[in-house]
Amino acid sequence: DQQVKQNSPSLSVQEGRISILNCDYTNSMFDYFLWYKKYPAEGPTFLISISSIKDKNEDGRFTVFLNKSAKHLSLHIVPSQPGDSAVYFCAARAPYNNNDMRFGAGTRLTVKP
Amino acid sequence: DAGVTQSPTHLIKTRGQQVTLRCSPISGHKSVSWYQQVLGQGPQFIFQYYEKEERGRGNFPDRFSARQFPNYSSELNVNALLLGDSALYLCASSFRFATNEKLFFGSGTQLSVL
Repeated sequence: DQQVKQNSPSLSVQEGRISILNCDYTNSMFDYFLWYKKYPAEGPTFLISISSIKDKNEDGRFTVFLNKSAKHLSLHIVPSQPGDSAVYFCAARAPYNNNDMRFGAGTRLTVKP
Repeated sequence: DAGVTQSPTHLIKTRGQQVTLRCSPISGHKSVSWYQQVLGQGPQFIFQYYEKEERGRGNFPDRFSARQFPNYSSELNVNALLLGDSALYLCASSFRFATNEKLFFGSGTQLSVL
């Protein structure tokens, strides 16, 4: 059962513009959400997270928005840089098992110079 | 400080064989989790160990087993390999067993089953 979905397999943006990556989930029990970035031949690296009690979290160029009623979260990258080109995974953590994170299939972001 | 290290990086096996994958967590981290990433999909949770005890198990058959050693390193074993077990196996470590704990991933072991 795919409880976390990233419906866009790829996204291409121009350097300096905003990148918006979207993620939908189905399980209302999820209470913590994370974004991971993955470069080829490397493991995923943590980018930013948000608790279900918040609707926004910022860290530098990265902002995550959470809409609980729509079961939707998005990652905004402003301004986008070529080094941001990677696969981005959305993940949701269930409270009953702290490391049972459910990942989406990922979105490949390409930032063009 | 070294990150999460996994060995081997690549492995080729044939159907029916058994495989053991190894993981060393970041120094001081007591929790290790294993994930399977099939091509084109996100990582899928297999096991979590904390302080050498199994704390969580995903929806995987009994052919998959794991253990954590006193030094907090871990092994993932897969018996009777199937073609569908071909995947990238990721190990992740964290300091504690808590909801908002960050997971730090290794680069993975790419397993090919022929």
